[in-house]
Amino acid sequence: DVKVTQSSRYLVKRTGEKVFLECVQDMDHENMFWYRQDPGLGLRLIYFSYDVKMKEKGDIPEGYSVSREKKERFSLILESASTNQTSMYLCASKMNTEAFFGQGTRLTVV
Amino acid sequence: QKEVEQDPGPLSVPEGAIVSLNCTYSNSAFQYFMWYRQYSRKGPELLMYTYSSGNKEDGRFTAQVDKSSKYISLFIRDSQPSDSATYLCAMSEVPPPQKLVFGQGTRLTINP
Repeated sequence: DVKVTQSSRYLVKRTGEKVFLECVQDMDHENMFWYRQDPGLGLRLIYFSYDVKMKEKGDIPEGYSVSREKKERFSLILESASTNQTSMYLCASKMNTEAFFGQGTRLTVV
Repeated sequence: QKEVEQDPGPLSVPEGAIVSLNCTYSNSAFQYFMWYRQYSRKGPELLMYTYSSGNKEDGRFTAQVDKSSKYISLFIRDSQPSDSATYLCAMSEVPPPQKLVFGQGTRLTINP
């Protein structure tokens, strides 16, 4: 079975902290994605990557950056966390049609 | 206007009812259409996908795509309490990396 693992299920961080969210997949997928999920807004794409060291902005990249040094790992970085970044963050990896999601990281910024 | 619109509900129906979930979209380049199911505190899981127009059936679930109307549907027959979840439609264009665009999700509750 494909597995997408996010490093934390729950995180609480302070305003202004630098936050790292890690995602690892075990199926050699080329495409990886970071979404955030908020009530009433669905999943919104933050960044995606189609190859090692390649990245593309999604619909809401402001306040975020990403890193993909190895094919299996895609990291989301909040440079200076703010309260409006409190959300559920979902990582996905994809080959062809189906995207496989991790369990999500619920981040609270206080 | 959002690229993909989905009524967020919530939708509550009795066990055994037929459920209809719908999405509309504006991007005529979308070719792949998917339905994801998300249980509480879990990541979304792919339920069904359809390429271009037409119907697809899988057990109690039927997905329909009408590209002329830019409208997709998911029907659940003989609904069960275990079907209670949030259902998300998603779409993508053909060229890689085929990033998925999601609807807002519909929260569905099946009452025993």
